Amino acid sequence: QVQLVESGGGVVQPGRSLRLSCAASGFTFSRNGIHWVRQAPGKGLEWVAVISYDGTKVRYEDSVKGRFTISRDNLKNTLYLQMNSLRTEDTAIYYCAKDWSGSWDYIDYWGQGTLVTVSS
Amino acid sequence: SFVLTQPPSVSVAPGQTARITCAGNNIGAKRVHWYQQRPGQAPVLVVYDNSGRRSEIPERFSGSNSGNTAALTISRVEAGDEADYYCQVWDSSSDHVIFGGGTKLTVL
Repeated sequence: QVQLVESGGGVVQPGRSLRLSCAASGFTFSRNGIHWVRQAPGKGLEWVAVISYDGTKVRYEDSVKGRFTISRDNLKNTLYLQMNSLRTEDTAIYYCAKDWSGSWDYIDYWGQGTLVTVSS
Repeated sequence: SFVLTQPPSVSVAPGQTARITCAGNNIGAKRVHWYQQRPGQAPVLVVYDNSGRRSEIPERFSGSNSGNTAALTISRVEAGDEADYYCQVWDSSSDHVIFGGGTKLTVL
């Protein structure tokens, strides 16, 4: 079965960096686009970024553009999110999510999420 | 960018029908997808491509999309349907994924 397991969350000070990882299994990782979606405490879902199946195309939500970088290693079946210049408003659960297509359309499987807390 | 508007909350008695709307400018021209998020859990896809339903999702869940409003309809509502529901589209103009603000379904 499809499994997406996020890691790397934690408490970090504003302005610092953090890298999230997502280990995928149960499907052919190199065939699907993968998203990061976040959810601030008590708030709704917010799409963050997506990467195409081969890593050649990426898109970012405007508030993270220039600060976050999404990447993937298809040999390791792993997705990454490098987060720099973190702000308190980046505090959220970060979900790794598989797109049904090779790029982006809709999400058919979600991980359980990893919590990032940005606080001094 | 494209905006999706959902009512913050919908309440329904068990056994009745719940309709959760998702409004957007000419949303009928887009493909709408719906997710269910139970408390403390990750979201789950319940409807894709306006009205498609995965085999593991009960037939009580159905979707529609026309004009400026898409809707998720849940028939014969059960206590286990109590959750937050989110609509989602892909916006071709921005080439971004867009989520609605979410609707909390309360089963009375």
